[in-house]
Amino acid sequence: ELKVEQNPLFLSMQEGKNYTIYCNYSTTSDRLYWYRQDPGKSLESLFVLLSNGAVKQEGRLMASLDTKARLSTLHITAAVHDLSATYFCAVHKAGNQFYFGTGTSLTVIP
Amino acid sequence: EAQVTQNPRYLITVTGKKLTVTCSQNMNHEYMSWYRQDPGLGLRQIYYSMNVEVTDKGDVPEGYKVSRKEKRNFPLILESPSPNQTSLYFCASRSGDLYGYTFGSGTRLTVV
Repeated sequence: ELKVEQNPLFLSMQEGKNYTIYCNYSTTSDRLYWYRQDPGKSLESLFVLLSNGAVKQEGRLMASLDTKARLSTLHITAAVHDLSATYFCAVHKAGNQFYFGTGTSLTVIP
Repeated sequence: EAQVTQNPRYLITVTGKKLTVTCSQNMNHEYMSWYRQDPGLGLRQIYYSMNVEVTDKGDVPEGYKVSRKEKRNFPLILESPSPNQTSLYFCASRSGDLYGYTFGSGTRLTVV
């Protein structure tokens, strides 16, 4: 069974600071996805990383993928309150099988 | 508007009473999936479908059934619900590997 671990599970950070969320997975995969979930809401697709070395950026968020290390990172630059949410990574296996991490709950405080 | 529509949003039912959660997408997506979300466990895939009449088990299929008779619809059926199926359920669809899922709004199911 493919295991996906996110670190940290909970993150409280001050506005304006930088931080990185890590997503480690246990078996080979070259497709990784990041999602955001606001409290009580559904999930929203953020990034799709399809190859080793892929890097995607949107605003204050940047995601990268290292398939050899089985690691993806989500870097937050100069955090703002609007980024408070839970972030999930998801690893694609075969066909349409996906495995989600347990999520990182981010709170940005003034 | 491109969307995945689930119904109902909230459902309380009793153990053993069959129920169906409907899911419909208007984006002509081939891939559809059902997930359940439980605290501390993230999202776990129940069933998925890669096209009409093509379905397969995900990580936690026990106690669930699905069907994909039309491209747009992917209902989730609980033949005999039990309290351990109390959860938040999401339907999702996507057009291919280049894209992430579009998720429905979720169905909060309580089985008493």
